[in-house]
Amino acid sequence: EPEVTQTPSHQVTQMGQEVILRCVPISNHLYFYWYRQILGQKVEFLVSFYNNEISEKSEIFDDQFSVERPDGSNFTLKIRSTKLEDSAMYFCASEGVEAFFGQGTRLTVV
Amino acid sequence: GQQVMQIPQYQHVQEGEDFTTYCNSSTTLSNIQWYKQRPGGHPVFLIQLVKSGEVKKQKRLTFQFGEAKKNSSLHITATQTTDVGTYFCAGERNQAGTALIFGKGTTLSVSS
Repeated sequence: EPEVTQTPSHQVTQMGQEVILRCVPISNHLYFYWYRQILGQKVEFLVSFYNNEISEKSEIFDDQFSVERPDGSNFTLKIRSTKLEDSAMYFCASEGVEAFFGQGTRLTVV
Repeated sequence: GQQVMQIPQYQHVQEGEDFTTYCNSSTTLSNIQWYKQRPGGHPVFLIQLVKSGEVKKQKRLTFQFGEAKKNSSLHITATQTTDVGTYFCAGERNQAGTALIFGKGTTLSVSS
């Protein structure tokens, strides 16, 4: 079965530090997403990416967030200056007909 | 903005009982998708419904999409302990590439 790979699986960072979360989507998919899930809560949309640009973003995705597809395979989410409330599980997803989610990166901001 | 409401938030059943979760969107959807998330896991795609009034079955799971394409339900017949997890509906407004907006999910627990 196709797989979306995310690294790292767990990241602990100090408040104010920058973090980069990495994702390798499924190779023939064109649409990529970042979602986050605060512990025990619903999956929240952050941003969608198509044709090398952001196609849609939520109000959560403020100036502290950015996404890149630096090469043909990786898809990254950068948080410039982390806050305590950024602690969550971050899921990358890629979509062909259905969306496949990665295993997630658990970000803990201390 | 678009909202997807899902009820109930939690449901506990005895093994063998039926279970239903309901999903309502504030806007007409292009399609609706259902995902299951096991504790500590990631959302896993179950099914996509596209047509108005569509009904799809996967073994003991029955999925429905309303005539107005604004609501949906997932019904599990004769639950088993393996059905435990959180079931999310996710609505998509237009074509692929727009955001999947998730409901809050229904967490199902099953006791034997």
